[in-house]
Amino acid sequence: NAGVMQNPRHLVRRRGQEARLRCSPMKGHSHVYWYRQLPEEGLKFMVYLQKENIIDESGMPKERFSAEFPKEGPSILRIQQVVRGDSAAYFCASSPPSDHSNQPQHFGDGTRLSIL
Amino acid sequence: GDSVTQMEGPVTLSEEAFLTINCTYTATGYPSLFWYVQYPGEGLQLLLKATKADDKGSNKGFEATYRKETTSFHLEKGSVQVSDSAVYFCALRTSTGANNLFFGTGTRLTVIP
Repeated sequence: NAGVMQNPRHLVRRRGQEARLRCSPMKGHSHVYWYRQLPEEGLKFMVYLQKENIIDESGMPKERFSAEFPKEGPSILRIQQVVRGDSAAYFCASSPPSDHSNQPQHFGDGTRLSIL
Repeated sequence: GDSVTQMEGPVTLSEEAFLTINCTYTATGYPSLFWYVQYPGEGLQLLLKATKADDKGSNKGFEATYRKETTSFHLEKGSVQVSDSAVYFCALRTSTGANNLFFGTGTRLTVIP
């Protein structure tokens, strides 16, 4: 499967714990985007990364959330000290390193985070 | 700012009925427009796209035409099937620097036999 791979598919955490969500982009893609989907809502942009760089984090909450896309390995979305309101589906998307204003983003199947 | 307004659901249709899901947008410049479909428990799949005015995107019997004069990108299908039951998202991507997608709130379609 050469698509966008996210893991885990489901993640359960207790309040105050840390959640780490991983995303491997499609082969040949170097642009990664993270989105959050609250129940019965559309997706909201969080952050856009290229290898070793955060390009746009205008959608990221100011506290507890961070993202990285290292030179080697998957992109990681990290949520510290989780709260109930963090329960959502988190989707990763990737696109190729070309003129991407009209390039579609390819999505993974998401990580469904549940906070107890 | 950039935004997408999508017809709210849920929408329930009988098999072989005609489908329209309305989508209008607000954007600076010349955005690219997309329809994504989300089946239960899965991620979003690109259904179709259009990158400039008057372009028509089509796939699997679905069509949408990029109308700049009405800032719309309505999704249509002439004869829906039970397998089309899913949530449909309209989205735009601006041409003015930001690379992220702006999504509508989604429309849940249920097709009954």
